[in-house]
Formats: sequence, C-alpha cells, structure tokens
Amino acid sequence: AQSVTQLGSHVSVSEGALVLLRCNYSSSVPPYLFWYVQYPNQGLQLLLKYTSAATLVKGINGFEAEFKKSETSFHLTKPSAHMSDAAEYFCAVSGSSNTGKLIFGQGTTLQVKP
Amino acid sequence: SQTIHQWPATLVQPVGSPLSLECTVEGTSNPNLYWYRQAAGRGLQLLFYSVGIGQISSEVPQNLSASRPQDRQFILSSKKLLLSDSGFYLCAWGTGATPTDTQYFGPGTRLTVL
Repeated sequence: AQSVTQLGSHVSVSEGALVLLRCNYSSSVPPYLFWYVQYPNQGLQLLLKYTSAATLVKGINGFEAEFKKSETSFHLTKPSAHMSDAAEYFCAVSGSSNTGKLIFGQGTTLQVKP
Repeated sequence: SQTIHQWPATLVQPVGSPLSLECTVEGTSNPNLYWYRQAAGRGLQLLFYSVGIGQISSEVPQNLSASRPQDRQFILSSKKLLLSDSGFYLCAWGTGATPTDTQYFGPGTRLTVL
C-alpha cells in the first residue's frame, strides 16, 4: 500500500523567506511523486513531478523538490516566497499500475505574510 | 488543447435529494477519468475512476455512484444526499499511459447539503 504524509497542515512565512513544505511517502514499489497547488475555489495544478530521471526536480513558479530515498521524502522548496504563492499544496504518490491513480496527502496551506 | 469542464460550479441541496454532477473533457480521446472529493480539512479523497466507457472502479463505499456513458463524459450521482456529502468535488483526467501520468483537474463543484 502507498501513502503520503504532509507534515504541517499550515505553514506561514514572510514574503521573501524560504518556503519548505514537507512530504514523506511510503511505497512498496518505486514511487512516482507529485506536487500540486490549489488556489482558492479552483482545481489543482501540477507544480512538478518526480519520474526517477533526476532526484532534484524543478517545477513552475520557482519551486523545486528533491527526492531522497533514504529519508523517503520529497520536500518542496522555494528560495523566496511571493504573496501569490499563498495556496494549498498537495503531495501525491502513484504506483506502478496503468490506472494513473494518485494517493494524495492531506495538504498544507501556505500563508505568506507581507 | 485539452480542456475539462464541470458543472454546476456550486450547488445547494437538501438532505435526501438526488445529485448529478457532470464532467466533460475536450481535446483528447479515451482518457482515464477520476472523481475526487475534498472535504474541509480532509485533503483529497479518490471516489471513482474509469479507464473506459462503462468501466467504473469505486474506491470508497458510500451512497455515491459514477457512470461514464460516453468516452469523455463522467457523471457523479446520488439517489439521496447525506449531510456528509458536502464538499468540493473535483473531476480530473489523465492519459493513464504510465504511472508518471499527470492528472489535469477541472474547476470543481462546491456542494452544500443542508
């Protein structure tokens, strides 16, 4: 069985500060990992995904994530937060089947203070 | 390009009433289709997925059902709504070709059951 745990349901940072959103996974097969962002009252949008090609993955809007197998982690970072980054962020894992099913974490709400 | 539509955008229904939410995808053929529910503070829960017409897999036993009458149409239904059915319902599509497949989400339907 696969699962994802996002540590911290709410994270607050000041504008210009480092953003770090934590995600740990559990998987019995090589995992494929995703980060999605959801702005208020909208659907989800893909930020980036790990497909085993490279452990450091760069995404849109200046975000990146590093896959660390030894720590079973896939934390999301951005060097400098912008007010427009305020949103809810979801980490997800998919398995090896061709159904494309994703298992999502509980989400982390990012607040950016001016 | 591909687009995904959901309607209605918002819905307020009394307990015990029926439900029908519709999702359609344009610009692609034979997509995998997914229904998720997002309840307050509970992340995203996969409800149903479909890999083809008439093929529905249920992830969570409940009073909801799904149907796929056409290749790019996915319907979520209920005969009698419960208070616990309130939430934000998201439809998504993907090619399902590989486990690294990106899912693309619709704008969602906000359902309030009173």
